Amino acid sequence: DQQVKQNSPSLSVQEGRISILNCDYTNSMFDYFLWYKKYPAEGPTFLISISSIKDKNEDGRFTVFLNKSAKHLSLHIVPSQPGDSAVYFCAAYVGGLLNDYKLSFGAGTTVTVRA
Amino acid sequence: DGGITQSPKYLFRKEGQNVTLSCEQNLNHDAMYWYRQDPGQGLRLIYYSQIVNDFQKGDIAEGYSVSREKKESFPLTVTSAQKNPTAFYLCAVTKDRGHYGYTFGSGTRLTVV
Repeated sequence: DQQVKQNSPSLSVQEGRISILNCDYTNSMFDYFLWYKKYPAEGPTFLISISSIKDKNEDGRFTVFLNKSAKHLSLHIVPSQPGDSAVYFCAAYVGGLLNDYKLSFGAGTTVTVRA
Repeated sequence: DGGITQSPKYLFRKEGQNVTLSCEQNLNHDAMYWYRQDPGQGLRLIYYSQIVNDFQKGDIAEGYSVSREKKESFPLTVTSAQKNPTAFYLCAVTKDRGHYGYTFGSGTRLTVV
């Protein structure tokens, strides 16, 4: 049973505009959420994360929002650039001393930035 | 330089063969993981290891085996029992507190011929 879901498989956005990627989760025990970016035939690279004690985290053009009551998070990319064209994965894990840091991943959203 | 190395980048397997995918790291991280990526399914956990000589099954361990004899190495064997092995395989490592998630290798594309 998939605990992290990305229901939009693809997103097309014009260069300079905002990209909004969405992610839903079912496990209320998750306390860290991460976004990864992946190019074809490469491993994913870490983009940004957020702890469950926060509702927003910002890093340059990237902002992640967390709505715990709705079990929903989103990634905003402003402004979108051609190099942002990639697959974006949402991931989450349960923290704590006994945790083994298994990340649960969503299916990914392919972002295409149009010139 | 520090990093995680997966080899080979491309691998072809005949029906009934076992093949081993290599994952080596010099980041001195304790935990290592193997994931499989299939189109439209994201990344699924195969096996993981928190310390040397110990490993646990992930969500889709059937048809796979691993070993962790050294901290730096976590090879994955895809056995003939794995019915659908064609996929992109990713190895990852993390520190003991994974606030920044994993560092991934560049992956191995396995194709059954």
